[in-house]
Amino acid sequence: GQNIDQPTEMTATEGAIVQINCTYQTSGFNGLFWYQQHAGEAPTFLSYNVLDGLEEKGRFSSFLSRSKGYSYLLLKELQMKDSASYLCAPLGGGKLIFGQGTELSVKP
Amino acid sequence: SQTIHQWPATLVQPVGSPLSLECTVEGTSNPNLYWYRQAAGRGLQLLFYSVGIGQISSEVPQNLSASRPQDRQFILSSKKLLLSDSGFYLCAWSVGGDEQYFGPGTRLTVT
Repeated sequence: GQNIDQPTEMTATEGAIVQINCTYQTSGFNGLFWYQQHAGEAPTFLSYNVLDGLEEKGRFSSFLSRSKGYSYLLLKELQMKDSASYLCAPLGGGKLIFGQGTELSVKP
Repeated sequence: SQTIHQWPATLVQPVGSPLSLECTVEGTSNPNLYWYRQAAGRGLQLLFYSVGIGQISSEVPQNLSASRPQDRQFILSSKKLLLSDSGFYLCAWSVGGDEQYFGPGTRLTVT
């Protein structure tokens, strides 16, 4: 079956670093996406990992370990605008399977 | 560049009324198209996806249906809305197995 687990909520301070973890069980796995969703808006694409390791893109990095069914999203130099929901979405059987997301609150 | 349109942005409908939501994509050919629903405080649930004109796969049994009359047009419909159909409806597109890009969404409230 399909199962995705990520923390429901996280709080961090402006300027700090935060790591959002995601574990998954997906049949026909073919990569993992991270999306950002601000309240009331559509999700926007952040990153895609298909191979093990770290992908860095500016302040955001994403890591994947396929053998462990584990990924994380790392956000550096947090800004207030980073307050949003972060969605872990493994690609399985040609379809994205979305977790419920992690609501990140950035405090001054 | 590619763009995706959805309308209407918001909709309030009574229980038992019909529904038609439209999604169109510009700037790409033969995209994969998707309909998702996001209930309040919940994750995205895939409702339908389409790999070509007239080809629709349903993920969850429900009183909704989807159609793809043209390559870049995807329509979500219902003959009779239920209260449980309330939510944020998102259309998305992709090419092959690449990332999906979402439209602005339609917020539906069934009263």
